[in-house]
Amino acid sequence: QKEVEQNSGPLSVPEGAIASLNCTYSDRGSQSFFWYRQYSGKSPELIMSIYSNGDKEDGRFTAQLNKASQYVSLLIRDSQPSDSATYLCAVYGGGFKTIFGAGTRLFVKA
Amino acid sequence: EAQVTQNPRYLITVTGKKLTVTCSQNMNHEYMSWYRQDPGLGLRQIYYSMNVEVTDKGDVPEGYKVSRKEKRNFPLILESPSPNQTSLYFCASSLSWENEQFFGPGTRLTVL
Repeated sequence: QKEVEQNSGPLSVPEGAIASLNCTYSDRGSQSFFWYRQYSGKSPELIMSIYSNGDKEDGRFTAQLNKASQYVSLLIRDSQPSDSATYLCAVYGGGFKTIFGAGTRLFVKA
Repeated sequence: EAQVTQNPRYLITVTGKKLTVTCSQNMNHEYMSWYRQDPGLGLRQIYYSMNVEVTDKGDVPEGYKVSRKEKRNFPLILESPSPNQTSLYFCASSLSWENEQFFGPGTRLTVL
């Protein structure tokens, strides 16, 4: 069974701090990695995608991928209360399936 | 407006009464997928479709059926719903299987 693991949290950080969210996956053949944000009662929306090893930055968000360690992370700089949500890690691997982690709840305290 | 729509948004039904949840996208996406979301379990893929007439099982297909007769539509069918299918259901679509997915607003289903 292919798996994606995330710390369920909640992760609590003060406003303006860096929030670090982590995800590990079991399928070494995985090629595409995504972070989605989901507000309570809403549908998931894409934050970042990453396909190759290293860092990818987009505004306050940085995704990091290490395929050798089967690890992908999301850093949120200058965290805002509006960043409070559940963050879902998704891995697209062999067989065209999509595997999501259970999500990490983030609280940003004003 | 580019979007994925689902209907109904809320549904309460009884065990064994067949139901269909519709999903439609207007982005000409090839890949479509159904997920269920349960507390503590995250999103689990039920079925996916690579294109018209091409569907395959996800991780939790038992008790569900799908069809893809047109590119834009991907209905989810529960032939004989049971209480363990009470969940929040999301339809999603993407340009291809390895691209970002766009999600519909969700359908909250309760089976009594």
